[in-house]
Amino acid sequence: AQRVTQPEKLLSVFKGAPVELKCNYSYSGSPELFWYVQYSRQRLQLLLRHISRESIKGFTADLNKGETSFHLKKPFAQEEDSAMYYCALKMDSNYQLIWGAGTKLIIKP
Amino acid sequence: NAGVMQNPRHLVRRRGQEARLRCSPMKGHSHVYWYRQLPEEGLKFMVYLQKENIIDESGMPKERFSAEFPKEGPSILRIQQVVRGDSAAYFCASSRFQETQYFGPGTRLLVL
Repeated sequence: AQRVTQPEKLLSVFKGAPVELKCNYSYSGSPELFWYVQYSRQRLQLLLRHISRESIKGFTADLNKGETSFHLKKPFAQEEDSAMYYCALKMDSNYQLIWGAGTKLIIKP
Repeated sequence: NAGVMQNPRHLVRRRGQEARLRCSPMKGHSHVYWYRQLPEEGLKFMVYLQKENIIDESGMPKERFSAEFPKEGPSILRIQQVVRGDSAAYFCASSRFQETQYFGPGTRLLVL
């Protein structure tokens, strides 16, 4: 069955340190992967999608089909990055999003 | 563009009552998705609707839950005879066709 796993419920790093939020998926077809972010008291918003191959707010994520991973990375964390981060999988020719449980990122000053 | 709107933001119901959750999609969006998030869990797909049509309700519980998206007005997720296990955050998203989904702020339902 299709599944998205975010192994860390909570990740706490110091400001300026590198950040990596892990996301692994289980799907045999052609996946489309997303990272969504939810800042405190705000709605879920799309951070980035793998097909865009873009960097948003300094974050990047590379789809590794061999390892079935889509880890989110940022070289230097900032306090405003503190939020909940969700990884989501969209299966080919489908509209459903399969979600990970989320990782709470706390950036310490 | 005001984005996806959901109301109410918080809803408290006693067991056995009905809960109605509303979702107004972004302007120009005709596709609506409902998700449920239980505490400590990710979002779970419930139903996908287009105007006046339910396209996929495979994630909806078989009983007590229903959804509609009328020609005019918001999409409504209706839960009859609520039970404590229905307490959750319910998110609505909208899209043009089956493209990127934009989310509303959610409705937090608490069943006493």
